[in-house]
Amino acid sequence: AQKVTQAQTEISVVEKEDVTLDCVYETRDTTYYLFWYKQPPSGELVFLIRRNSFDEQNEISGRYSWNFQKSTSSFNFTITASQVVDSAVYFCALRGDSNYQLIWGAGTKLIIKP
Amino acid sequence: ETGVTQTPRHLVMGMTNKKSLKCEQHLGHNAMYWYKQSAKKPLELMFVYNFKEQTENNSVPSRFSPECPNSSHLFLHLHTLQPEDSALYLCASSQVGPYNEQFFGPGTRLTVL
Repeated sequence: AQKVTQAQTEISVVEKEDVTLDCVYETRDTTYYLFWYKQPPSGELVFLIRRNSFDEQNEISGRYSWNFQKSTSSFNFTITASQVVDSAVYFCALRGDSNYQLIWGAGTKLIIKP
Repeated sequence: ETGVTQTPRHLVMGMTNKKSLKCEQHLGHNAMYWYKQSAKKPLELMFVYNFKEQTENNSVPSRFSPECPNSSHLFLHLHTLQPEDSALYLCASSQVGPYNEQFFGPGTRLTVL
């Protein structure tokens, strides 16, 4: 079975703080793909990143960075120097080669206070 | 228009009404999806179309009926819905393949009275 767990239901920080959103996954597939999406209050899910299971290199894009660790089955997302515009619900998702469905986490609501 | 568009953005309907949601993608993708997003629940995949053929139907009640006339358009026909069907309905598209990210429309906020 495949599963994605985002244990943090809601996180609230003050602007300019760093914040890490956790994502833990379960899969028996040897090849799989992990995704992060952002859902601002407008409702549209926005794709942020995809990571392949055979590529454990961490990724940085501006203030965003992702830490993929197969040993702990985690794919965590860090926002550095958070801004109010980062306020949104963030979803982690998994897709394995044995099942073409995207398995979604429950999402973490991130609130950045000015 | 670019990306994935959905109409209407908001819909209020009675339980005896029949309505349709429309989705159009301008990305040249060959797979399209319907998702349901209810408050405090994970995103639920409803239907998947690959190359206009339905490949997934996740035990969705028959009061939801999808239609994919071509690879750019996807409809969700609604009839005799229940109040618990009130939710945000999201359409997405992608290239076929597990590694391809899905691109989402803005959603239709449906309220069933």
